[in-house]
Formats: sequence, C-alpha cells, structure tokens
Amino acid sequence: DQQVKQNSPSLSVQEGRISILNCDYTNSMFDYFLWYKKYPAEGPTFLISISSIKDKNEDGRFTVFLNKSAKHLSLHIVPSQPGDSAVYFCAAIRYGSSNTGKLIFGQGTTLQVKP
Amino acid sequence: DGGITQSPKYLFRKEGQNVTLSCEQNLNHDAMYWYRQDPGQGLRLIYYSQIVNDFQKGDIAEGYSVSREKKESFPLTVTSAQKNPTAFYLCASSIDFNSNQPQHFGDGTRLSIL
Repeated sequence: DQQVKQNSPSLSVQEGRISILNCDYTNSMFDYFLWYKKYPAEGPTFLISISSIKDKNEDGRFTVFLNKSAKHLSLHIVPSQPGDSAVYFCAAIRYGSSNTGKLIFGQGTTLQVKP
Repeated sequence: DGGITQSPKYLFRKEGQNVTLSCEQNLNHDAMYWYRQDPGQGLRLIYYSQIVNDFQKGDIAEGYSVSREKKESFPLTVTSAQKNPTAFYLCASSIDFNSNQPQHFGDGTRLSIL
C-alpha cells in the first residue's frame, strides 16, 4: 500500500523557468511533510518541510504547497537552475503513534534542468 | 564537520555470506535509521533505533539485523537469509525520534552479489 505517491518519474524544464514537483498521499493523519533532494551515489539532503496545519512554506527559491482536502503537496522551484537537476523525494510523517518518527517516502521524481 | 559516515561505499557479497555495513554519526543524535533503496522506488525502512541499546523492526526487516551498543554507531548486517540483497543502503539519524527535525543521511553503501 503506497501511502505516498509521486506519479511523475521524471520532469524536464528549461533553466530560469518554474519546476513543479507533485506528491499525493492517502493517509489524512500525516502531520508533517518533507522534501529531500538526492544526487546520484549520494544520500538525500533535506530541502524544505511543511506542517499539516499550514498550506505554504517558502525558503528562497523553494516553496512547498499543501492542499489537505486534495491530499496533495507540491514543490515549486523558481527560477530553476542546472544544479537543481537531481531526484526529489517527498516524505510524510505521522506523530503520536508507534509510527512516530518513521518517514514514508514517495518513489521520487527525477528533475532535469536544461541550460 | 559533523555528519554521517557510511562505509564501505561499495560492497560485494558472495552467496551465503553475511556482510556488515557500517554507519557512524558525530551529530550527537539519539535516533538512527537504516533504509534500502531499489531502482524506481522510494526509501524503505529496514530498522530504526530511538536510543542507544534499543532498536525496532521497520517495514522490511526480514534478513537483516542491527545493534546499537554506542550512540554514534548503528551497524547493519545483511544475512544470508536476505534473498534479494542487491540495493543501495542508506543510514540516517535525527536529533530524536519524536520531533519534526529532519533526518540526515549518509552517502550510502551499494551492495552487490557476486
């Protein structure tokens, strides 16, 4: 049962344009959502997060939007740069149960930013 | 610099062998985790440890074992019972298990079967 889904395996955008990466989830009890960025042969690095009580969080060129009614979150990168080319994972976490602290990851989306 | 060190970066295992993957962190984090990544899939949790001398099974613990004798170390043993061990293994840590502080990852170990 895939609780967190990234339905687009890949995305290609032109440098300077907006990149939008999408993520859907099925469990309405998730409390917190995170985006990680991963380069080949390296571990994921934390990018940005959002609490379920918010609908937007911004950090420089990165903005995450959360639509709880649609169980959907998205990561916007503006403007996109070639160095943003990587695999992006969304992840969700639910507190207050035996699952506390356990991240549930999506399958990842490979972003390619063309110069 | 504080961080998580995984070794070796590449590891080859013969059929029937046990192998141990090392994970060391100097971030003073209480919680540590082991994930497995397969092509086209997200990270799946193998084992986690909330605190030293404690660990619990994750979603895919069969064929794996861990220990947490020191706060900074969380080695993973891939046993011969793991029938499909070829994967990219990632170790992570976080300040504690119950906060929303993000997990920090090492650079991974790629395990292959000879």
